[in-house]
Amino acid sequence: DQQVKQNSPSLSVQEGRISILNCDYTNSMFDYFLWYKKYPAEGPTFLISISSIKDKNEDGRFTVFLNKSAKHLSLHIVPSQPGDSAVYFCAASEAGTYKYIFGTGTRLKVLA
Amino acid sequence: NAGVTQTPKFRILKIGQSMTLQCTQDMNHNYMYWYRQDPGMGLKLIYYSVGAGITDKGEVPNGYNVSRSTTEDFPLRLELAAPSQTSVYFCASSGGQGYTEAFFGQGTRLTVV
Repeated sequence: DQQVKQNSPSLSVQEGRISILNCDYTNSMFDYFLWYKKYPAEGPTFLISISSIKDKNEDGRFTVFLNKSAKHLSLHIVPSQPGDSAVYFCAASEAGTYKYIFGTGTRLKVLA
Repeated sequence: NAGVTQTPKFRILKIGQSMTLQCTQDMNHNYMYWYRQDPGMGLKLIYYSVGAGITDKGEVPNGYNVSRSTTEDFPLRLELAAPSQTSVYFCASSGGQGYTEAFFGQGTRLTVV
């Protein structure tokens, strides 16, 4: 039972263009959402997060959008850079549980 | 700051052997986690702890045991290694105060043959 889903295993984007990574969830009790970036042979590193009281959070080139009614969130990277090539994981947490449930990841390749 | 440190980085085990994956954090975080990452399967939560002396099962706990005797350390024990436990294991910690992120170690790549 996959509560957090990333349906696109991979994505290729030209340098300078927008990358859009998508994530869907099924548990309506999730109220905190995170995006992590992972390079090969390294641990995931935190990128950006959003709580359920917001619908958008921005940090530099990275913006996360949350659509609670659709149980959907997305990560926008503008402009995309070759160094952004990595696997991106979406994660969700339910208040009071402090557990993070992860999606299966999307491999982003930014082409120079 | 060292953050979250895992040892060893790599290990090959024979079927039926046992081992302990070590994890320590220096951020005084109450919450600690063990995840495994299988190809195409994302990160699955094995066990987690909300403080010293308190542990609980995650999504895939079978075949593993944990203990939390101190705030800093959260070792993961494999008693009878099986090929299905071949994976990359990540330890993480978080402050757990409201909405906060988890910090991950660099991982342990385990192969059971």
